[in-house]
Amino acid sequence: AQSVSQHNHHVILSEAASLELGCNYSYGGTVNLFWYVQYPGQHLQLLLKYFSGDPLVKGIKGFEAEFIKSKFSFNLRKPSVQWSDTAEYFCAVRGATNKLIFGTGTLLAVQP
Amino acid sequence: NAGVTQTPKFQVLKTGQSMTLQCAQDMNHEYMSWYRQDPGMGLRLIHYSVGAGITDQGEVPNGYNVSRSTTEDFPLRLLSAAPSQTSVYFCASSYSRGRNYGYTFGSGTRLTVV
Repeated sequence: AQSVSQHNHHVILSEAASLELGCNYSYGGTVNLFWYVQYPGQHLQLLLKYFSGDPLVKGIKGFEAEFIKSKFSFNLRKPSVQWSDTAEYFCAVRGATNKLIFGTGTLLAVQP
Repeated sequence: NAGVTQTPKFQVLKTGQSMTLQCAQDMNHEYMSWYRQDPGMGLRLIHYSVGAGITDQGEVPNGYNVSRSTTEDFPLRLLSAAPSQTSVYFCASSYSRGRNYGYTFGSGTRLTVV
């Protein structure tokens, strides 16, 4: 069965700091990987996705993620965060059955 | 193009009551699914369907029933609501695996069971 682990439950950063959120998955076959963001009071928004090809994926709002197959990881990065990046971030994995399984999320608070 | 429509947006139930959360999509997506979102637990898959007439259990199926009689609709039924089912429920749909396509999410139903 597929599963996703997000190691950082709560992250606090100052504006302009760099961000890296960890995501590891467990699945034996080919996967598609996603990062979603949920701003306070809003519903999910897709940040970026990986299906195949270049393992370095660029998304919206300056976010990027790198798929490292040997480490079963898909970490999210941003070189310089802004106060408006305060949100909850979810990593998700899709396996062969098309099921999308989410991690438990990381709450990011950016202090001005 | 409406995308994924969930109704109602808010609902308060008494313990033991039943209700159906509606989910409809107009994109001809084969795959549909239901999630519940609880603080600190992310989104957990309740049930999913890979096509009309086919449903399967997800991570937390107990207390919920689903059916998929048409491609467009995927209702979620709570037969006897419990306070533990207080949550925000999201419906999502997608094409079948094999297309480079993500998921479309509904705007959610906030359910409170008292």
